[in-house]
Amino acid sequence: KQEVTQIPAALSVPEGENLVLNCSFTDSAIYNLQWFRQDPGKGLTSLLLIQSSQREQTSGRLNASLDKSSGRSTLYIAASQPGDSATYLCAVVDSSYKLIFGSGTRLLVRP
Amino acid sequence: DAGVIQSPRHEVTEMGQEVTLRCKPISGHDYLFWYRQTMMRGLELLIYFNNNVPIDDSGMPEDRFSAKMPNASFSTLKIQPSEPRDSAVYFCASVRRWDRADTEAFFGQGTRLTVV
Repeated sequence: KQEVTQIPAALSVPEGENLVLNCSFTDSAIYNLQWFRQDPGKGLTSLLLIQSSQREQTSGRLNASLDKSSGRSTLYIAASQPGDSATYLCAVVDSSYKLIFGSGTRLLVRP
Repeated sequence: DAGVIQSPRHEVTEMGQEVTLRCKPISGHDYLFWYRQTMMRGLELLIYFNNNVPIDDSGMPEDRFSAKMPNASFSTLKIQPSEPRDSAVYFCASVRRWDRADTEAFFGQGTRLTVV
């Protein structure tokens, strides 16, 4: 059974810092991995999608990497801003096409 | 397209009442997922459909929960009878097709259910 874990559960950093969020999964047989952002009381917004054959994807200040063999992904946020404060979730599509989520990392960027 | 549309956005009901949550996926999407989100358990997959057919309902917590997808543009999640522990935010998501590895999942805004 595929399990997705995110570390840390919460993170507080001063504005301007570069930071890394971690995601690990137990079964390397995945189709892709997505990173989402969720603001309080809102739905989920897709940030980046990495196909299983890819190693990384970039969008603006965000960079996501994927190491399928070791079951890990990282989301790198450069020059963090208070507007980046949110919960970040990673999700994998497993071999039965289920989209399975980690428990998320709550990020607070202090001005 | 307007995206994934869920209704109602908020629902407050009394214990024992029937609750029906609705979802309209993005047109042309083959997969539809129902999730429940709570502080304690995060996002839990309840059930998902492919081309209107339920594929995996192993996440449905009890027989009080049921889901249907009568056509490609509409799905319901029903709780009967509802209990206070069902209070959560329920999300619906749709995906065009997974055999294209570049396919994203799109989420609705969720239904916040409170059972008193």
